[in-house]
Formats: sequence, C-alpha cells, structure tokens
Amino acid sequence: ETGVTQTPRHLVMGMTNKKSLKCEQHLGHNAMYWYKQSAKKPLELMFVYNFKEQTENNSVPSRFSPECPNSSHLFLHLHTLQPEDSALYLCASSRELAGGNEQFFGPGTRLTVL
Amino acid sequence: AQSVAQPEDQVNVAEGNPLTVKCTYSVSGNPYLFWYVQYPNRGLQFLLKYITGDNLVKGSYGFEAEFNKSQTSFHLKKPSALVSDSALYFCAVRSYSGAGSYQLTFGKGTKLSVIP
Repeated sequence: ETGVTQTPRHLVMGMTNKKSLKCEQHLGHNAMYWYKQSAKKPLELMFVYNFKEQTENNSVPSRFSPECPNSSHLFLHLHTLQPEDSALYLCASSRELAGGNEQFFGPGTRLTVL
Repeated sequence: AQSVAQPEDQVNVAEGNPLTVKCTYSVSGNPYLFWYVQYPNRGLQFLLKYITGDNLVKGSYGFEAEFNKSQTSFHLKKPSALVSDSALYFCAVRSYSGAGSYQLTFGKGTKLSVIP
C-alpha cells in the first residue's frame, strides 16, 4: 500500500497495562513521526525522529515513550494510559525533515483504553 | 505561528458535479501546502502539494488545487465528483519548528460526501 506498516491495527488495553505500537517503513526514508488522531480534532504531532534522533516532543505525557532503533523502525511504548488516550495513532515517514517532502502514512492503530 | 483553516466540516456534492474543498492558511514566508485524503479505517494518503511555480497544481485521482497568494487560499478541486471520492480531506502547511526542523500543521479536516 503506502510502504508504511503498523501493528497491531487494533488494541484494547486497561489503564494498568503496558503495550507497544510498532511502525516500519520500507521507503528508505530518514524521518519518522507519531501522530494522534482524535475525533473532531486536528492531527496532533507527538514525536519526530530524524536519522534515529528525536527532534520533536510536543509536550506529550511521559506515559507515551517513543523508541527509534533505526531509520526504518519506530515504536511507541504505552503504560498507565487514560481513557482520553483512546484514539487512532498514526505513524508517518518522509525522505527528510526539511524541504517540501510529503509524508507517507501507515494505516494506524486504533487504541481503546478501558 | 503557521496555521490552516478548513471552514467546512462537511461538503455534499452530487456525483458528476464539480467539487471544491476549501482551505486557507496563515504563514510567515513562502508557504509549502499539502492536501491529504483519508478513507475509513486507513491512514492519510498524499494527494498533491504546492511549493513554487504554477498556481494550479495537479495531483492524484484527478484532483487539483489552486494556490491564491492574495487570498491566502489553497482550495482543492475536481471537475467531476465520483462516489468513491467520499472521504475525509486534510489541508496542511509546512511550519518551522526550530533548529532547522520542519513539521506539518494540519487542518481539522473536511468530510466530503458524494451523493449518487
């Protein structure tokens, strides 16, 4: 499809659980992103990685912990989440951060926190 | 701060009619503008972008967008709508986030419904 895959596609977790979301891009890109998409709200950029280095953390609560072991893989580790964290979590990649490069998105993980 | 506005939450159009999805922007400097589409249970797909050059940009699936600097607008258009165009459309602008880094700022999205 778009060259960006995300697993799992759906996740239901309790507030005391620990889980991880995985993203993999097959496009040879250098920048990767995590977004949160909630109903009736604009996409919220959470984290940005460029060449495996984190360059943005948009005031995201510490219960969300990103990890980027290499330019092709991105994880989002979740622990002690709140019901308001229920949303669609989208991963994206782009060739580089600067310039007019478009981002390519994965299909997302639909997260429900009980 | 850079921002985009999509003034319509929903647009309804009859199949075969022309469609327009509106977007206005606010940036300092030259804007880099993007349109994305999201189908149900899918991620966002890139449609087209404006960086420089012709004000009329052509993209995927027969869509085009017109950049208007004086009106700070970047409306998405298609001459003849298809039922399969029904989806959520997002306008975005590149914004500078410091230290040589850029990010995309998205609008809230417009739901397009094409009626058979």
